[in-house]
Amino acid sequence: KAGVTQTPRYLIKTRGQQVTLSCSPISGHRSVSWYQQTPGQGLQFLFEYFSETQRNKGNFPGRFSGRQFSNSRSEMNVSTLELGDSALYLCASSPGAQETQYFGPGTRLLVL
Amino acid sequence: GDSVTQMEGPVTLSEEAFLTINCTYTATGYPSLFWYVQYPGEGLQLLLKATKADDKGSNKGFEATYRKETTSFHLEKGSVQVSDSAVYFCALNYGGSQGNLIFGKGTKLSVKP
Repeated sequence: KAGVTQTPRYLIKTRGQQVTLSCSPISGHRSVSWYQQTPGQGLQFLFEYFSETQRNKGNFPGRFSGRQFSNSRSEMNVSTLELGDSALYLCASSPGAQETQYFGPGTRLLVL
Repeated sequence: GDSVTQMEGPVTLSEEAFLTINCTYTATGYPSLFWYVQYPGEGLQLLLKATKADDKGSNKGFEATYRKETTSFHLEKGSVQVSDSAVYFCALNYGGSQGNLIFGKGTKLSVKP
């Protein structure tokens, strides 16, 4: 089975712009979670989608949003980018509730 | 709230040395526990997991036991290799509607030949 894929792998944006990141889960997995990884804050949970519904949300401002499509693919959007949004954004998928999460390679976002 | 605490790194060992990375947790319920590994420039890979007290997770020579009495899940390996050099993350979750992983800060391991 193919693993979790994320596109793009690298992205450079400037402050004030918006960005959309994409995640394709492992075939058959219905849950997709997003995490932000920074040197200062470590790994922090953004949100989780299950069957196109947001099931859980971390403590991030409303500039961070996401959605999940009927084929379980997910996108996350960050509007009005700030320098502090520079991070590795990781997507993880799992078959469903109470299941192990499998991570993609991440999208590295640099905000200038 | 729930949290995970890992020993601070970096940890530097010689090849074939014994490895222990300490992990303790604070939890309001009965979480599942995980170790993930991150190689340079890559995402996280699941290393092992345990879902209930006294379970032992093992993979690739690594092992960890879920100790409810000491709220710990220490990672061990009897003989490390240079290829084990990476950052190791301890994490917990409950699954279901609280399925988000809560991670420790990570421990960087460097193994010298």
